[in-house]
Amino acid sequence: DAEITQSPRHKIIETGRQVTLACHQTWNHNNMFWYRQDLGHGLRLIHYSYGVHDTNKGEVSDGYSVSRSNTEDLPLTLESAASSQTSVYFCASSEAIRDAGTQYFGPGTRLLVL
Amino acid sequence: SQKIEQNSEALNIQEGKTATLTCNYTNYSPAYLQWYRQDPGRGPVFLLLIRENEKEKRKERLKVTFDTTLKQSLFHITASQPADSATYLCALGRGDKIIFGKGTRLHILP
Repeated sequence: DAEITQSPRHKIIETGRQVTLACHQTWNHNNMFWYRQDLGHGLRLIHYSYGVHDTNKGEVSDGYSVSRSNTEDLPLTLESAASSQTSVYFCASSEAIRDAGTQYFGPGTRLLVL
Repeated sequence: SQKIEQNSEALNIQEGKTATLTCNYTNYSPAYLQWYRQDPGRGPVFLLLIRENEKEKRKERLKVTFDTTLKQSLFHITASQPADSATYLCALGRGDKIIFGKGTRLHILP
């Protein structure tokens, strides 16, 4: 069965360190997204990609970067982690957002920045 | 700026009754609206999609309405069960943009 996976599921890092969160989907979807979810804010879009070598900034992109070298993966990098980036991170994929494509979410990565 | 409002308080409904969740929005004209379910510690799961030219959609015990004049969607779960307890997220989209509401926690009481 097709799926979308995230790793690690839990991570604790020190302020200022770099960390990369992995996202891998086997749906063969063109579109991939990264969200963060915080109490009181709901899901907020960080970055998204419509295909290989395409990346776009979302609502809260400062301090984050992504790259898309193949269809299956969209890793999210925090260049220099800050305590404000403590959150739960969700990756999602969809077939065609312009056709109101359903988003399929991964299980999430819980990140704690100390 | 665009804003989506869902019931901020948790909703407690007796088992067997109909649960109705509300999604209101401002400063936005979505082409479609989606509802997702999220269980604790898990990612959201898609439930239903309704487009701007549709008034109502049904799927088993679920019903969604979409009123673009009132800028509101209602999400109904009929014959509710304790297993329906979860957080439900409303999401609006047009073109390449989707924005999510903060969600409403629903508790179905046995």
